[in-house]
Amino acid sequence: GAVVSQHPSWVICKSGTSVKIECRSLDFQATTMFWYRQFPKQSLMLMATSNEGSKATYEQGVEKDKFLINHASLTLSTLTVTSAHPEDSSFYICSAAPSPAYYEQYFGPGTRLTVT
Amino acid sequence: AQKVTQAQTEISVVEKEDVTLDCVYETRDTTYYLFWYKQPPSGELVFLIRRNSFDEQNEISGRYSWNFQKSTSSFNFTITASQVVDSAVYFCALSDYYSGGYQKVTFGIGTKLQVIP
Repeated sequence: GAVVSQHPSWVICKSGTSVKIECRSLDFQATTMFWYRQFPKQSLMLMATSNEGSKATYEQGVEKDKFLINHASLTLSTLTVTSAHPEDSSFYICSAAPSPAYYEQYFGPGTRLTVT
Repeated sequence: AQKVTQAQTEISVVEKEDVTLDCVYETRDTTYYLFWYKQPPSGELVFLIRRNSFDEQNEISGRYSWNFQKSTSSFNFTITASQVVDSAVYFCALSDYYSGGYQKVTFGIGTKLQVIP
């Protein structure tokens, strides 16, 4: 149980374009979803937390207008990187939890974004 | 504030050697959870173990064992008889609660383990 998927697993886009990453909880209802970014040889850094039907809460230093998060259902959250630039190239990982206070997050396999 | 420290950034061992990965954490909460994850080159996080703050019982699972000591705020992970397939980055993580009752996971910087055949 507690399976989270991400799509696509990797994507290459041109500078200035937007790209959408999907995160789905496959076998449970995810009231809360999280988005992380991981640069090479670094740790996971939380970008934002979203609760279903509510606006996402962004961590300090994360541009909310650049990283649009939509959590419209209990099984799907999307992260849209708008006007992507090469510095946005990174590994994006989502996680999901049944509630905001649940003690564990279930992680997706990640999406590798390369902006050329 | 929550903090997870993995002092070892890279470790190399020869196959069949035992290796211990260190993790020290900081939290103000009395209820919290600790995790170890493995991240192979593919990138996907692989869950290894979870421990809550009230369960200090150490565990052995196959070649893996864990040592949780609240008195020193440490949660160390040992691989016995290491194998090449154990080569990966290992993350220690702390799950606790910040204001508003929301759970937050804080990751350590990760320890890259290389097992040399």
